[in-house]
Amino acid sequence: AQTVTQSQPEMSVQEAETVTLSCTYDTSESDYYLFWYKQPPSRQMILVIRQEAYKQQNATENRFSVNFQKAAKSFSLKISDSQLGDAAMYFCAYRSYGGSQGNLIFGKGTKLSVKP
Amino acid sequence: NAGVTQTPKFQVLKTGQSMTLQCAQDMNHEYMSWYRQDPGMGLRLIHYSVGAGITDQGEVPNGYNVSRSTTEDFPLRLLSAAPSQTSVYFCASSLRRSLYGYTFGSGTRLTVV
Repeated sequence: AQTVTQSQPEMSVQEAETVTLSCTYDTSESDYYLFWYKQPPSRQMILVIRQEAYKQQNATENRFSVNFQKAAKSFSLKISDSQLGDAAMYFCAYRSYGGSQGNLIFGKGTKLSVKP
Repeated sequence: NAGVTQTPKFQVLKTGQSMTLQCAQDMNHEYMSWYRQDPGMGLRLIHYSVGAGITDQGEVPNGYNVSRSTTEDFPLRLLSAAPSQTSVYFCASSLRRSLYGYTFGSGTRLTVV
């Protein structure tokens, strides 16, 4: 079975600075998807960024980028120019590529605080 | 499109009561899932469905029941509520193979007293 580990329960960053959230996963599959979700105090789950395992190029969405290291099974999220609105819980998630095993497997989350 | 609609948003139950959390999506997604979120535990899968008439258990299925008679609807039933079921519940849906992950409902905060 696949597992996802987020080793940082809480992180803090100064506004306008850069922060990196860590995520590692365990799988025997070669094709899969990885995601970062943001959960602000409103409770809504918001998809931040996604990565297909067969693509070596790291995904980027505006101020958010990932460092995907397939061999190391690592998928970290970098937030540049942090803003107060980035304060939230961040969840790393894994999804098998196909078949019936298409559920999301989540890490336990990292709570990010942004200091003004 | 409404996306994924969950009702109610908040609910208080007494121990032993039963209730149904409603979930509907209008995106013609094959996959639908129910998760519960507890502090420090992330989101854990309760039950899921890969299509109408097909359901299966996730990581924490005890005390919950589901059915999927249509593509759009995937209700979650609490058979006899217990304080351990106090949690935030999320319904989510997705296409079968999708880089776009799952679309989540806004969640239900359930308290069992």
